[in-house]
Amino acid sequence: GAGVSQSPSNKVTEKGKDVELRCDPISGHTALYWYRQSLGQGLEFLIYFQGNSAPDKSGLPSDRFSAERTGGSVSTLTIQRTQQEDSAVYLCASSWTGAWDNEQFFGPGTRLTVL
Amino acid sequence: AQRVTQPEKLLSVFKGAPVELKCNYSYSGSPELFWYVQYSRQRLQLLLRHISRESIKGFTADLNKGETSFHLKKPFAQEEDSAMYYCALSGQGNMLTFGGGTRLMVKP
Repeated sequence: GAGVSQSPSNKVTEKGKDVELRCDPISGHTALYWYRQSLGQGLEFLIYFQGNSAPDKSGLPSDRFSAERTGGSVSTLTIQRTQQEDSAVYLCASSWTGAWDNEQFFGPGTRLTVL
Repeated sequence: AQRVTQPEKLLSVFKGAPVELKCNYSYSGSPELFWYVQYSRQRLQLLLRHISRESIKGFTADLNKGETSFHLKKPFAQEEDSAMYYCALSGQGNMLTFGGGTRLMVKP
């Protein structure tokens, strides 16, 4: 595959609506990460999946945010009841393993705008 | 807690001038540090990692544990170096903690 892909590339939604963001990692990569890039907060970690282990959700900002990874591959980040402060670029990254020294390969991001 | 600070939001230099992008970190354990770069309209990508002690595109970075710094340096900046640079730390857990980023502009 070409690399990490994300869809949609842009999403505009109304406050209060739910949104789903998709990430396709590089084939064979067992670790998958979600980050958020916003003007006020920079790049923040959200959630991390490693193989079949329970995900590390320590970066999720509220219980409106959730993510799943099906079959150890594709991941979906869901934001319920979106708020204007959720507007940001959501980045997905994957690596061969979750080891600290594994290079993380980033996707192009999904730009979310909440009106 | 782990924290990465990049004190300069913008650094502007002329082509051929030396460049130093500052990065300071806070972490109680033994950190692993990285520099990531994002060129215009491209995705974020790894530039270099301290464990490799490598020079990529003429850039080097030395980990100074005494000063808790990992500054990125290049002796002669090129226009194609213009980009957003992020210092990142991998400590507790395997996620990256990023600094706020420094935009480097290299003027002709």
